[in-house]
Amino acid sequence: QKEVEQDPGPLSVPEGAIVSLNCTYSNSAFQYFMWYRQYSRKGPELLMYTYSSGNKEDGRFTAQVDKSSKYISLFIRDSQPSDSATYLCATEGTNAGKSTFGDGTTLTVKP
Amino acid sequence: DTEVTQTPKHLVMGMTNKKSLKCEQHMGHRAMYWYKQKAKKPPELMFVYSYEKLSINESVPSRFSPECPNSSLLNLHLHALQPEDSALYLCASRNRGGGSPDTQYFGPGTRLTVL
Repeated sequence: QKEVEQDPGPLSVPEGAIVSLNCTYSNSAFQYFMWYRQYSRKGPELLMYTYSSGNKEDGRFTAQVDKSSKYISLFIRDSQPSDSATYLCATEGTNAGKSTFGDGTTLTVKP
Repeated sequence: DTEVTQTPKHLVMGMTNKKSLKCEQHMGHRAMYWYKQKAKKPPELMFVYSYEKLSINESVPSRFSPECPNSSLLNLHLHALQPEDSALYLCASRNRGGGSPDTQYFGPGTRLTVL
């Protein structure tokens, strides 16, 4: 079993929709939770970084962490065609910065 | 400046060639990473340098040889690669190498094709 499982997608939504991207993890030692956005043929770009359970909001993006159920989510409000990309969740414990990534969900937002 | 730069952007090499990938950051970060990413897969960690010392080597074949000449530069030397080594090679850096809330910045990657 993978340490981080991500809803596989692909996901296709109309412009303006609310998007929900989800991951589960198995290692209770994970303390840090990240969401990256990766456009085709580019490097990943950090979108959100959270440490504890709860919500963190940044513009149209909200990251949610539930440590009790080992579940992390990214919500995108008012989705735009420019949000079309692959979204990667990632987790870390305290072991020298080694991130464990989910497999990614490819999102397409149609105008 | 929150930029990690990588050169070259694209590289095509034969199985007998020797080449090097280069990565540079000027954010004062003390941890630098090499990842390999195949199509439609997440990045796979290869090496981590922390304070210019190799701290993680994920059992990568010896045909990949990392080097950290100074705190701003990271190289990946390639020799006798196989076609299955074709991938996007990503460099990343972060302030302290984890264990605390800090951001990992990725470069744009070098797309490597081995013929």
